[in-house]
Amino acid sequence: AAGVIQSPRHLIKEKRETATLKCYPIPRHDTVYWYQQGPGQDPQFLISFYEKMQSDKGSIPDRFSAQQFSDYHSELNMSSLELGDSALYFCASSRRAAKNIQYFGAGTRLSVL
Amino acid sequence: QKEVEQNSGPLSVPEGAIASLNCTYSDRGSQSFFWYRQYSGKSPELIMFIYSNGDKEDGRFTAQLNKASQYVSLLIRDSQPSDSATYLCAVNRRRNNNDMRFGAGTRLTVKP
Repeated sequence: AAGVIQSPRHLIKEKRETATLKCYPIPRHDTVYWYQQGPGQDPQFLISFYEKMQSDKGSIPDRFSAQQFSDYHSELNMSSLELGDSALYFCASSRRAAKNIQYFGAGTRLSVL
Repeated sequence: QKEVEQNSGPLSVPEGAIASLNCTYSDRGSQSFFWYRQYSGKSPELIMFIYSNGDKEDGRFTAQLNKASQYVSLLIRDSQPSDSATYLCAVNRRRNNNDMRFGAGTRLTVKP
């Protein structure tokens, strides 16, 4: 079965640069979530989209933005990167009609040098 | 205080034993409860979900929910070394399940 696809898998950036992470949800899933997971920490919810509209906002910094496109894929844009942004970034998707159970992608490992 | 609390472990059990993982949550209005397994550097993988009080069994896994005590647990029977991972408890606070909070995870080691 198709899973959540994230790209790139690894990304290395320098301080103050920008980064764009992409997420392709499971087919027919209408909701996308972004999480940030630092070393040894639990996933922290950043933001979610339902039917291309922002539905919830968590601890997403103002330097970050995200959107969901007409084909339901989502992009997380990160600007003015800081060393502390180094983390695993997971995307999850769900289908509201199926109790919104979240399935996670493999993640993007971002390293800010 | 975190909204979802777990013992960080490590929890070590011998192969073939029962591993018991516990989780408490603070929001009494929480609607649904999940256990995810996460291997180091990998993504969380859904193991079980439970919505109603009582037990739910799936193979070697049993989830137990007690909403009055705000407590959810995961039992792993016949533990295998491949079960060694961090187990994340996640609680969803809304009926449409789009507000999920994770515990810090319990690291389980199953020794051969």
